[in-house]
Amino acid sequence: QQPVQSPQAVILREGEDAVINCSSSKALYSVHWYRQKHGEAPVFLMILLKGGEQKGHEKISASFNEKKQQSSLYLTASQLSYSGTYFCGTENSGGSNYKLTFGKGTLLTVNP
Amino acid sequence: EAQVTQNPRYLITVTGKKLTVTCSQNMNHEYMSWYRQDPGLGLRQIYYSMNVEVTDKGDVPEGYKVSRKEKRNFPLILESPSPNQTSLYFCASSKLAGNIQYFGAGTRLSVL
Repeated sequence: QQPVQSPQAVILREGEDAVINCSSSKALYSVHWYRQKHGEAPVFLMILLKGGEQKGHEKISASFNEKKQQSSLYLTASQLSYSGTYFCGTENSGGSNYKLTFGKGTLLTVNP
Repeated sequence: EAQVTQNPRYLITVTGKKLTVTCSQNMNHEYMSWYRQDPGLGLRQIYYSMNVEVTDKGDVPEGYKVSRKEKRNFPLILESPSPNQTSLYFCASSKLAGNIQYFGAGTRLSVL
């Protein structure tokens, strides 16, 4: 079942912050975050495993809340290059039958 | 250069004419996957492969076939394409299931 991402779209001015949420109806084993720029392939940002870890990547970080079955992506002091569609992918089992299911995406637009 | 190569990049075909989209990776990855991307629906998994000769259905496998005879190749076969298979297709690979996925550049398919 697809995870639910919110918001669907967000518009920022350069330097502003944003939070993108990803919620699952099932227990989460891991959450993957990818960014896709217009006309390009998705590119990996980070993976979070269950345990409440917070990972960082320059000014982009993410958290994983196992109890709430959700992950949040934090974009701090946004830059024009952050524009794109952000996808979360969730893995629910952690077993041998691996399956990653992506959400519908969040369109982020950063304006000057 | 490490990469996932898809061919063709663009394809226009007619209903019922069998076609194959090739996918090849040069990173010795075990896990490979096919996704389709449609506006507002995000990335939906069609089929995936944990290793050579091991394939399994994703969320939207109807109308598609795959094979994994060699580690590097994972072709997507549409035996009898229909207009509802018009979409943007991505192949992805990762070292192991659950690791970072590397995406190909995409294949834009139109079925008339």
